[in-house]
Amino acid sequence: KNEVEQSPQNLTAQEGEFITINCSYSVGISALHWLQQHPGGGIVSLFMLSSGKKKHGRLIATINIQEKHSSLHITASHPRDSAVYICAVMAETSGSRLTFGEGTQLTVNP
Amino acid sequence: DGGITQSPKYLFRKEGQNVTLSCEQNLNHDAMYWYRQDPGQGLRLIYYSQIVNDFQKGDIAEGYSVSREKKESFPLTVTSAQKNPTAFYLCASSRGHLSNSPLHFGNGTRLTVT
Repeated sequence: KNEVEQSPQNLTAQEGEFITINCSYSVGISALHWLQQHPGGGIVSLFMLSSGKKKHGRLIATINIQEKHSSLHITASHPRDSAVYICAVMAETSGSRLTFGEGTQLTVNP
Repeated sequence: DGGITQSPKYLFRKEGQNVTLSCEQNLNHDAMYWYRQDPGQGLRLIYYSQIVNDFQKGDIAEGYSVSREKKESFPLTVTSAQKNPTAFYLCASSRGHLSNSPLHFGNGTRLTVT
């Protein structure tokens, strides 16, 4: 079992829909990162959080440390949101290493 | 604008040849990382450096080497000892520890070895 599990693996939505991507992990963590990978391969950091909730524009990230679970929400989705969304955790005992999920491929159709 | 530059974007090599992937950053970040991405797998850490003239092996360091002679530069050499070198390689940097600093990525180098 991977330390970081994302669901779903693939997600197709219509423009305007509310989207949720989930990330579950099995170890104690000091931080969780959400990343966005565009079709060309470049990766952008969206959020880094260790508790509670963060919001940036139409994106919201939440984390529940007790349940070892985080969600990334996209409101009013748009075709330009189509990308792979990656969850990564910094385990408490890992030094400087992140453990990455396999990613969720999101496609938003117009 | 500050950022991370990886070159080249695509690289083709024959089996048995060493190849060096370039990574340069002008963000003044202390920490730099090399990751490998394969289809259907999460990113895996090859090497990382938290300060100039120091670096540590990641989870899949065998067949790779790095140097960190300058703060801005962290080149990765894929040696002929790497059994399966064809992959997408991503360089990243962070201002501080990843428990409180976001990662900044380059656009990657896609290496194909035949």
